[in-house]
Amino acid sequence: DAGVTQSPTHLIKTRGQQVTLRCSPKSGHDTVSWYQQALGQGPQFIFQYYEEEERQRGNFPDRFSGHQFPNYSSELNVNALLLGDSALYLCASSRDSRYEQYFGPGTRLTVT
Amino acid sequence: EDQVTQSPEALRLQEGESSSLNCSYTVSGLRGLFWYRQDPGKGPEFLFTLYSAGEEKEKERLKATLTKKESFLHITAPKPEDSATYLCAVHTNTGNQFYFGTGTSLTVIP
Repeated sequence: DAGVTQSPTHLIKTRGQQVTLRCSPKSGHDTVSWYQQALGQGPQFIFQYYEEEERQRGNFPDRFSGHQFPNYSSELNVNALLLGDSALYLCASSRDSRYEQYFGPGTRLTVT
Repeated sequence: EDQVTQSPEALRLQEGESSSLNCSYTVSGLRGLFWYRQDPGKGPEFLFTLYSAGEEKEKERLKATLTKKESFLHITAPKPEDSATYLCAVHTNTGNQFYFGTGTSLTVIP
């Protein structure tokens, strides 16, 4: 059983550019959440998708947007990249938001 | 304001030396509390979910407990392979939000 997968593993972008990160949830899971983890910090909740809609959102600007597809996979888009957006971006899936989340390996984004 | 605080920030133990990690939380309503283990450069690995005060869960050398204000992760006779950062997270009723603590970095010395 494949766990949560994310692509790409690493990414280097220039300030002002746009980036798209991808996530496939664990088999049987229908809810996908995205987190940003800065070095030495705990993950910070960006938003959660369920039934192709954004269900909850953390304290992140509108530059961060997402999408969930009918097969439950998801994308995270970040526009107008800032140096401070450099972080590990984690995707987590769950069987509805009431249950434990399983995380993918993350995408390391570096903005120069 | 909803908040999760973990202590200590770092902990060094000799192999076999038992100890506890603390996660204190202030939330408007708790749906669940989660413990994760995270190795450097990797995504968090799920360990336990606790839903109500008094609940306990065990897995190998780890035991998690929950009160109305905090949770403890007890590590019994740790081994070097238990070295990792341990993260605590809460899922709140109000706003359906998820909050993580900053973690406890555990090093177990052979």
